[in-house]
Amino acid sequence: SYELTQPPSVSVSPGQTASITCSGDKLGGKYACWYQQKPGQSPVMVIYQDTKRPSGIPERFSGSNSGNTATLTISGTQAMDEADYYCQAWDSSTVVFGGGTKLTVL
Amino acid sequence: QVQLQESGPGLVKPSETLSLTCTVSGYSISSGYHWGWIRQPPGKGLEWIGSFSHSGSSYYNPSLKSRVTISIDTSKNQFSLELSFVTAADTAVYYCARADYGANSRYYYYNMDVWGKGTTVTVSS
Repeated sequence: SYELTQPPSVSVSPGQTASITCSGDKLGGKYACWYQQKPGQSPVMVIYQDTKRPSGIPERFSGSNSGNTATLTISGTQAMDEADYYCQAWDSSTVVFGGGTKLTVL
Repeated sequence: QVQLQESGPGLVKPSETLSLTCTVSGYSISSGYHWGWIRQPPGKGLEWIGSFSHSGSSYYNPSLKSRVTISIDTSKNQFSLELSFVTAADTAVYYCARADYGANSRYYYYNMDVWGKGTTVTVSS
């Protein structure tokens, strides 16, 4: 079965750029989606189809996907961006999630 | 705006069937999209369970497929999850979500753009 691998944790200083990676075999040949989940809340889609931002998601969130790696980039990271982030792809008629990355803003 | 709300028992006994309902407001489920379920065990990541569209197409997580039934009631604008023969490993927060599913000139896409708040289900005797 298809697997997506994310680093368990990423740390960033306020105002800096955070990059969260998601690796999978030939992931660049699929669409990647990213979700943000804050404690006690349901996930929110922040990037879909690799690079698109849903309405209401700040411009500081961006995405890319090439080769075996999709990347979520948060520019000018704010304290409110501290959360768990999950990548997701569609493979062989199933949804696959990455294991999640805890973003700490310190 | 579109809202989803999960409902159902918070406690299920081992070997019994877990049954949850998701009520959709602000959008008619017969108008399109896929409607599905995702769960999250305590302290762990997201696990997709499966989804169903009003047109009849359905997809399931292979690891759960033999125990899962997802159905849609367009008259009530609801969809439901049944998970049979539950064990403690099925204890989780269960979310319902709307998914934009399709294909364009490049690839298939499956984006879960609206989620319910989730409901906690504990499997215990």
